[in-house]
Amino acid sequence: NAGVTQTPKFQVLKTGQSMTLQCAQDMNHEYMSWYRQDPGMGLRLIHYSVGAGITDQGEVPNGYNVSRSTTEDFPLRLLSAAPSQTSVYFCASSAREARSEKLFFGSGTQLSVL
Amino acid sequence: ILNVEQSPQSLHVQEGDSTNFTCSFPSSNFYALHWYRWETAKSPEALFVMTLNGDEKKKGRISATLNTKEGYSYLYIKGSQPEDSATYLCAPPNDYKLSFGAGTTVTVRA
Repeated sequence: NAGVTQTPKFQVLKTGQSMTLQCAQDMNHEYMSWYRQDPGMGLRLIHYSVGAGITDQGEVPNGYNVSRSTTEDFPLRLLSAAPSQTSVYFCASSAREARSEKLFFGSGTQLSVL
Repeated sequence: ILNVEQSPQSLHVQEGDSTNFTCSFPSSNFYALHWYRWETAKSPEALFVMTLNGDEKKKGRISATLNTKEGYSYLYIKGSQPEDSATYLCAPPNDYKLSFGAGTTVTVRA
């Protein structure tokens, strides 16, 4: 059982480059989300989705774009990478909306923007 | 995004000792409280999702209590072991958003 799969695990970008972080889950979860983790700041929500075709902004959405064309996939796009986006990114999913259902996290993507 | 405070930020405990720490959250419009355990170089893993005032949950040597009226939850570790070393995160949901506290980092010394 794969759970939540994130790729790549590591990525180095130059300022201004764009890229997509991939997230897929095989648990038929309706809810998916992206977090970034920075030292001393805990996990901050970037974007989330309550089902296919529905996305919404979290706490720190600027510079990121998401789409949810299928239940399984929730890619995160960096439009024009900036050094401030250097972080560890986690994708997480839950069976239904995240209020009363526990989140399952992917293994994370460590991103460095030079 | 809700204001969530966890204290202390970090603590050291001797192997075999018990410890506890706090998560404070807004008590108005309470829906649920999540606890996660996050080991270094791994991903966060859910410990508990608590919804009822006075609720107490237990998983092995780890337990949690919830006071929704005053807006706090305690996490207890009984007889700490080195494998309990981790950062423990709490998160109350706000609509469809889960607001994580900065966590309490527990280091168990052998």
